[in-house]
Amino acid sequence: GQNIDQPTEMTATEGAIVQINCTYQTSGFNGLFWYQQHAGEAPTFLSYNVLDGLEEKGRFSSFLSRSKGYSYLLLKELQMKDSASYLCAVMDSNYQLIWGAGTKLIIKP
Amino acid sequence: GAVVSQHPSWVICKSGTSVKIECRSLDFQATTMFWYRQFPKQSLMLMATSNEGSKATYEQGVEKDKFLINHASLTLSTLTVTSAHPEDSSFYICSASGRADYEQYFGPGTRLTVT
Repeated sequence: GQNIDQPTEMTATEGAIVQINCTYQTSGFNGLFWYQQHAGEAPTFLSYNVLDGLEEKGRFSSFLSRSKGYSYLLLKELQMKDSASYLCAVMDSNYQLIWGAGTKLIIKP
Repeated sequence: GAVVSQHPSWVICKSGTSVKIECRSLDFQATTMFWYRQFPKQSLMLMATSNEGSKATYEQGVEKDKFLINHASLTLSTLTVTSAHPEDSSFYICSASGRADYEQYFGPGTRLTVT
């Protein structure tokens, strides 16, 4: 079966750095997405990786290793507004998004 | 970026009635639209995928006669929850893509409460 694993919840301190990991087992691979979702709102796109390596976009970076079925989202200089759920999703061989359950990130002052 | 709207943003209806939710892509042509449901503290659950002008493809376990999806144009898809029950209360989110193999742009979601 297809499976996406990410931690349920993480806590970090304002101004610090946090890494949210995601491992996957899917039928084929056509890219990995990270989305941010605040409570009661729809997800918003953060990043897309289809090749191995690190993609940096401001305070957020996303890394992919296809051979390991592994990705992480790195958030730097954490701000209180970064408190949200972070969803990892993989597009399989049928171009269908397989969603992880999300990681709830709690930022403390 | 691409903008997707949903209407209404929230709705309360009585058990047994039907509710229609609209999803529109405002500044691009969405060849593919997706409908998701999300229960509290859970991840997104794909309900169906629809391509403009063709019948929607429903995920296993989703009743196509209960959740009617129409993708009549490249900018509009509708989800009708028929004979709603309290267990249908959920957050319904649509997303749209210009290509099936590309980024999905999400609407703001519709919170449905069935009393």
